[in-house]
Amino acid sequence: AQKVTQAQTEISVVEKEDVTLDCVYETRDTTYYLFWYKQPPSGELVFLIRRNSFDEQNEISGRYSWNFQKSTSSFNFTITASQVVDSAVYFCALSEAGGAQKLVFGQGTRLTINP
Amino acid sequence: NAGVTQTPKFRILKIGQSMTLQCAQDMNHNYMYWYRQDPGMGLKLIYYSVGAGITDKGEVPNGYNVSRSTTEDFPLRLELAAPSQTSVYFCASRLGGSTDTQYFGPGTRLTVL
Repeated sequence: AQKVTQAQTEISVVEKEDVTLDCVYETRDTTYYLFWYKQPPSGELVFLIRRNSFDEQNEISGRYSWNFQKSTSSFNFTITASQVVDSAVYFCALSEAGGAQKLVFGQGTRLTINP
Repeated sequence: NAGVTQTPKFRILKIGQSMTLQCAQDMNHNYMYWYRQDPGMGLKLIYYSVGAGITDKGEVPNGYNVSRSTTEDFPLRLELAAPSQTSVYFCASRLGGSTDTQYFGPGTRLTVL
């Protein structure tokens, strides 16, 4: 069975600090997808990134970066120079590569950026 | 395109009542999904559909039913509501392919008292 663990329930930092959100996953599939979603206080789910299991290149998008390490089954998310608008709950998720690509979510990390 | 729409946004039910949560998408997506999000938790899959007329159970299907008579609509039926079904319900859709991803609706907040 697939499983996603986000061990950090809540993180609180001061604005402009860098922060890393951890994600560890379990799967028996050889190919799969990993995702990060943001859920701001308004409640909607905002897609941030999808990563294929065969692509271990790190990715950077502005202040966001993602570190995928297959050897440790981790897909960590770093926000550089955090801003108050980054305050949200962040979810890591995993899906099979084929078929319906049903998502399995972690429990989420609540990130609070204090001014 | 309106994307994925869900109605209602909020609803309060009494124990034992029934209701249907509506979900529609106008992107001609093949796949549709229903997830629930309990307070402080991640989302869990209730049911999904790979096309009109085809549905299947997810991780937590008990107490729910779905149908998919058209490509656009994927209603979720709650029979005999229970307090354990108090949750936020999200509908999602996906075209179907190796590079696409799921688009989520705004959610329906349901309270069962």
